[in-house]
Amino acid sequence: AQSVTQLGSHVSVSEGALVLLRCNYSSSVPPYLFWYVQYPNQGLQLLLKYTTGATLVKGINGFEAEFKKSETSFHLTKPSAHMSDAAEYFCAVSDGAGTALIFGKGTTLSVSS
Amino acid sequence: AAGVIQSPRHLIKEKRETATLKCYPIPRHDTVYWYQQGPGQDPQFLISFYEKMQSDKGSIPDRFSAQQFSDYHSELNMSSLELGDSALYFCASSPGLAGENEETQYFGPGTRLLVL
Repeated sequence: AQSVTQLGSHVSVSEGALVLLRCNYSSSVPPYLFWYVQYPNQGLQLLLKYTTGATLVKGINGFEAEFKKSETSFHLTKPSAHMSDAAEYFCAVSDGAGTALIFGKGTTLSVSS
Repeated sequence: AAGVIQSPRHLIKEKRETATLKCYPIPRHDTVYWYQQGPGQDPQFLISFYEKMQSDKGSIPDRFSAQQFSDYHSELNMSSLELGDSALYFCASSPGLAGENEETQYFGPGTRLLVL
């Protein structure tokens, strides 16, 4: 069975600081991995995804993530936080096309000035 | 670009009432998924449809049913509503199995259901 663990339910950074949101997964098959962002009272927006190929993937708004199979990790990073990055971030895994997404518990990112 | 449309956006019901949520996928997407997100929780998969047939089933209560119609829109029917059904219900769609980005699910804005 697949599962996702997001370490840290709440991360606080200063504006301009590095953002690091941690995600570890468990999967019996090569996983498809995703990061979604959710702003208050809004839907889920895809930030980036890994399916195959290059293990460092770049997404929207300056975010990127690296798939590390040996560590079963898919951590999300951004070099410099902006106030507008404050939101809830979900890591998710699936078996592939047409299959359900399994989400982590989410990490709330706060950005202070 | 066109997005997933969900209606209504907000719904208030009494216990034991019924509710119907609608989802209109992105054009040319033939797979639809339903998720439930309780307050402060992560989204939980309920059910999915591919080409109008149920393709996968998650933690959907027996009181809920869903279907996908010939125009690919989907409806989630919820009966005998309970207080615990209060949540945000998301619909997502993805392209067909031969489509580009077939593994990516695009989410709608959600329907917020409040059961009193």
